[in-house]
Amino acid sequence: DGGITQSPKYLFRKEGQNVTLSCEQNLNHDAMYWYRQDPGQGLRLIYYSQIVNDFQKGDIAEGYSVSREKKESFPLTVTSAQKNPTAFYLCASSIDRPINYGYTFGSGTRLTVV
Amino acid sequence: QKEVEQDPGPLSVPEGAIVSLNCTYSNSAFQYFMWYRQYSRKGPELLMYTYSSGNKEDGRFTAQVDKSSKYISLFIRDSQPSDSATYLCAMQIQGAQKLVFGQGTRLTINP
Repeated sequence: DGGITQSPKYLFRKEGQNVTLSCEQNLNHDAMYWYRQDPGQGLRLIYYSQIVNDFQKGDIAEGYSVSREKKESFPLTVTSAQKNPTAFYLCASSIDRPINYGYTFGSGTRLTVV
Repeated sequence: QKEVEQDPGPLSVPEGAIVSLNCTYSNSAFQYFMWYRQYSRKGPELLMYTYSSGNKEDGRFTAQVDKSSKYISLFIRDSQPSDSATYLCAMQIQGAQKLVFGQGTRLTINP
């Protein structure tokens, strides 16, 4: 079945650590996105990529980094510079530019700082 | 002021009730309007999609867009406990790459 796979489902980070969240899609979608979801704040865009080897900052990119070396993969690194990383992280993809049919989302990764 | 405003609720109604979920927006350039449903600890899934003003119906769900008032609605008829979820509105400017989301409304349908 085609879809987006996010891993791990739950992730715990110690203070000062970098962690990487995985996102893989087999939908042959061009564009991929990372969102952060906090209670009462909806989805906020971190980074997005329209093509391989290219990506743009979203509204809250500080403390995060991404890469897009393959069309299928868009990993997100949460660095130690992100002061409040505890949140639910969602990866999404879309079929074309411009997007006229919405996103397909993964099941999310819940990151907790311990 | 946020570009898209959505009452976060929570909203609790009895089974069988008609539910109305709403979003307002400030950017008149939005042309594509969507509703996503998100179950607890899952990713959102696309529920309804409309372009410009008007109504669209799909089973028990009706999406309504009023561009003159910058107001969109999702109606759920004969609500079921399985409709209990968070509902997110989302909007897009034609030609733009990204969607803008509302805060989400948490809905509970009580048996």
